[in-house]
Amino acid sequence: DVKVTQSSRYLVKRTGEKVFLECVQDMDHENMFWYRQDPGLGLRLIYFSYDVKMKEKGDIPEGYSVSREKKERFSLILESASTNQTSMYLCASSPTQGGNSPLHFGNGTRLTVT
Amino acid sequence: GENVEQHPSTLSVQEGDSAVIKCTYSDSASNYFPWYKQELGKGPQLIIDIRSNVGEKKDQRIAVTLNKTAKHFSLHITETQPEDSAVYFCAASSNNNDMRFGAGTRLTVKP
Repeated sequence: DVKVTQSSRYLVKRTGEKVFLECVQDMDHENMFWYRQDPGLGLRLIYFSYDVKMKEKGDIPEGYSVSREKKERFSLILESASTNQTSMYLCASSPTQGGNSPLHFGNGTRLTVT
Repeated sequence: GENVEQHPSTLSVQEGDSAVIKCTYSDSASNYFPWYKQELGKGPQLIIDIRSNVGEKKDQRIAVTLNKTAKHFSLHITETQPEDSAVYFCAASSNNNDMRFGAGTRLTVKP
């Protein structure tokens, strides 16, 4: 089974802090994604990556950046956390480059910014 | 870009009844339509998917239908059980692998 592991289940950070959310997948997938999940809004795409060192903006990239130095790891960075970034963050990966295939999700990181 | 709308936002059924969740999409280039189930404390998991070259797909008690002309697709769960209670998401993507999700449906199956 594909395993997508997010390093933290819960995080509490202060406004203005730099926050790193880490995600690792163990199936050699080319594609990796970061979504945030908010009630009534579903899952919204923040950033995705097709390959090492490649990144593409999703629908809501403002306030976020990403890093993909190794194929198995995709990090989401909040440069200066704000209270409106309190949310559930979901990482996902998929195996097919340029095509369509199911996403495999981690169990999420619930971030609270105070 | 793609916009996916999902209805209803909440659905409550008696055990044994059927449940139907409907989604519409905007981008005619979308050709892949997965459905995900999210249980409490977990990430979404794929339960069924359909591609644009077929109109219907079934897997035991769940089925998905796709109407490309009308740009809508639906999830059907028959003989519902309490363990079907969860949040369900539809999604759509084109060949860019940029999957977009609906807002979710919270399904409650009452014993």
